[in-house]
Amino acid sequence: EDQVTQSPEALRLQEGESSSLNCSYTVSGLRGLFWYRQDPGKGPEFLFTLYSAGEEKEKERLKATLTKKESFLHITAPKPEDSATYLCAALVFSGGYNKLIFGAGTRLAVHP
Amino acid sequence: KAGVTQTPRYLIKTRGQQVTLSCSPISGHRSVSWYQQTPGQGLQFLFEYFSETQRNKGNFPGRFSGRQFSNSRSEMNVSTLELGDSALYLCASSALTGDNEKLFFGSGTQLSVL
Repeated sequence: EDQVTQSPEALRLQEGESSSLNCSYTVSGLRGLFWYRQDPGKGPEFLFTLYSAGEEKEKERLKATLTKKESFLHITAPKPEDSATYLCAALVFSGGYNKLIFGAGTRLAVHP
Repeated sequence: KAGVTQTPRYLIKTRGQQVTLSCSPISGHRSVSWYQQTPGQGLQFLFEYFSETQRNKGNFPGRFSGRQFSNSRSEMNVSTLELGDSALYLCASSALTGDNEKLFFGSGTQLSVL
């Protein structure tokens, strides 16, 4: 069964304290690995897509990387405004269609 | 450009009732997908509609159904509500079917079943 697991469930950082979020996946035929940010009371907002092992993408203080079994979202010198839930999702081809399989998310709190 | 609009924002229902949720996609978008989000399970795909046709369906019971109108607006219906149906229901739209990189989510409808 296709599965995506994120760790940790929650992470508390001090402003400026860099860290990484993990997304491990067990899927048959990964077509892409997506990262989203979700603020309270809002829907997920697209951040990155990674398509092959070794690929990296950056946006401001965020960098996403991908291996054959997992993806990492590195946060460098985070600020309080980076506080949110970060979701990863694996795009797989199943039943004739592309489907996104989401992890449960990591709740990040950055304190000044 | 207006984003994806979901109504209502909050709903409280009792077991056994039915509920209808509404989603208006971004103007020009013809694909609408629905997701259920719960704290333990994360986001789970319900179904996708494109040009009034259901294109893709997740593993949910038949109590969950949807439809799409000619103006691309979509509704989702849940019949015979159960306590476990309490969740945030998210709608997402895209211009093309299966265009997961350009998926825009609404803020969701928070459904509580008592």
